[in-house]
Amino acid sequence: DIQLTQSPSFLSASVGDRVTITCRASQGISSSLAWFQQKPGKAPKLLIYAASTLQTGVPSRFSGSGSGTEFTLTISSLQPEDFATYYCQQVTSYPLTFGGGTQVEIK
Amino acid sequence: EVQLVESGGGLVQPGGSLRLSCAGSAFTFSDHYMDWVRQAPGKGLEWVGRTRNKVNSYTTEYAASVKGRFSISRDDSKNSLYLQMNSLKIEDTAVYYCVRAVGGNYFDYWGQGTQVTVSS
Repeated sequence: DIQLTQSPSFLSASVGDRVTITCRASQGISSSLAWFQQKPGKAPKLLIYAASTLQTGVPSRFSGSGSGTEFTLTISSLQPEDFATYYCQQVTSYPLTFGGGTQVEIK
Repeated sequence: EVQLVESGGGLVQPGGSLRLSCAGSAFTFSDHYMDWVRQAPGKGLEWVGRTRNKVNSYTTEYAASVKGRFSISRDDSKNSLYLQMNSLKIEDTAVYYCVRAVGGNYFDYWGQGTQVTVSS
């Protein structure tokens, strides 16, 4: 199975900050990676797919990069509605796996 | 607007069975692979399994943790996805999400989730 390790697991930041979350895969997955945002009590929401493609309707302050084993999700200027938990997911091989999550909280 | 609505969750004893349903609307259900993802209380996301579409013979994939106990099926005439869960364990307690997959297997729409609690 492909393991995804997210870092940090917890992040405290202020509105307007630039935030970067990393996802490392235990083996190469090309660009077959997605990022999700989840708020408490809600279903996850797709933000980025194919490592760097912004899902329709997602604000441009979100961006993704990387390939192979190392990937990043960047929020260029954190907004109040961005406080949530973020997950990466690989879709290159079964079982499909998720990272452990990064909780972004208000400083 | 695309919608996925799960139903069938509830409280069940260890060793029991439960069948979840998911009704899709506002998209061509038969075109898509469909998946189930679960989330245990306070934990992260865990992929449960997938059914491919008719073109791909409705073949299925499962996570090791549920293989042999859970079964995914679909009825394209009813735009519905199912998850038959047998031999339930306490560790199967979770919110179960129905998810639509699009090109490259990406999960673009999720249902609101249905709670399954396995407890004596």
